[in-house]
Amino acid sequence: AQSVTQLDSQVPVFEEAPVELRCNYSSSVSVYLFWYVQYPNQGLQLLLKYLSGSTLVESINGFEAEFNKSQTSFHLRKPSVHISDTAEYFCAVSDRDAAGNKLTFGGGTRVLVKP
Amino acid sequence: KAGVTQTPRYLIKTRGQQVTLSCSPISGHRSVSWYQQTPGQGLQFLFEYFSETQRNKGNFPGRFSGRQFSNSRSEMNVSTLELGDSALYLCASTQSGSSPYEQYFGPGTRLTVT
Repeated sequence: AQSVTQLDSQVPVFEEAPVELRCNYSSSVSVYLFWYVQYPNQGLQLLLKYLSGSTLVESINGFEAEFNKSQTSFHLRKPSVHISDTAEYFCAVSDRDAAGNKLTFGGGTRVLVKP
Repeated sequence: KAGVTQTPRYLIKTRGQQVTLSCSPISGHRSVSWYQQTPGQGLQFLFEYFSETQRNKGNFPGRFSGRQFSNSRSEMNVSTLELGDSALYLCASTQSGSSPYEQYFGPGTRLTVT
């Protein structure tokens, strides 16, 4: 069984300030790791993913996340946020060795960017 | 390429009724997964269909069922609705052979049970 914990349910941050969203997971098997973003009244969009290789992964809009196997974490960071980054962010894992597509999500972190 | 579409977008039902939600995946995608999103339980996996067969199943009661057609479109059905079934139901499609687990989500169907 897998579980994902997002340590902060809400994170208020000022525009152009950095932000870090914390994600820890528990799993008895090797996993893939993902961050998804959900804007109001929309579905989820994949932000970035860790499959293998370099433990630091980056998205095209300035977010990055680092996989830390020893701490079973996959924290998301952005050095300078914009108003448009206001959204809910979900960390998710899936079993590397299982057939199919099943994501286990954390509870989400709501980011509110203030001007 | 059109994204994942879900119909209807909003639905109001009464306790005890049944409901059917529809999901059309991105063209060429053969896997469709369904998730339930509620404020209390968050995002929970319901089931996944691939080539008209259920490949994975979450921990939901038998009142929740689904199917997939030969054109990869999928439906989920909830029978004997309960107040707790009020939620946003999201479906996601995945292209076989692509980067693993690259799931594309639809906008969801918001179901309200009164």
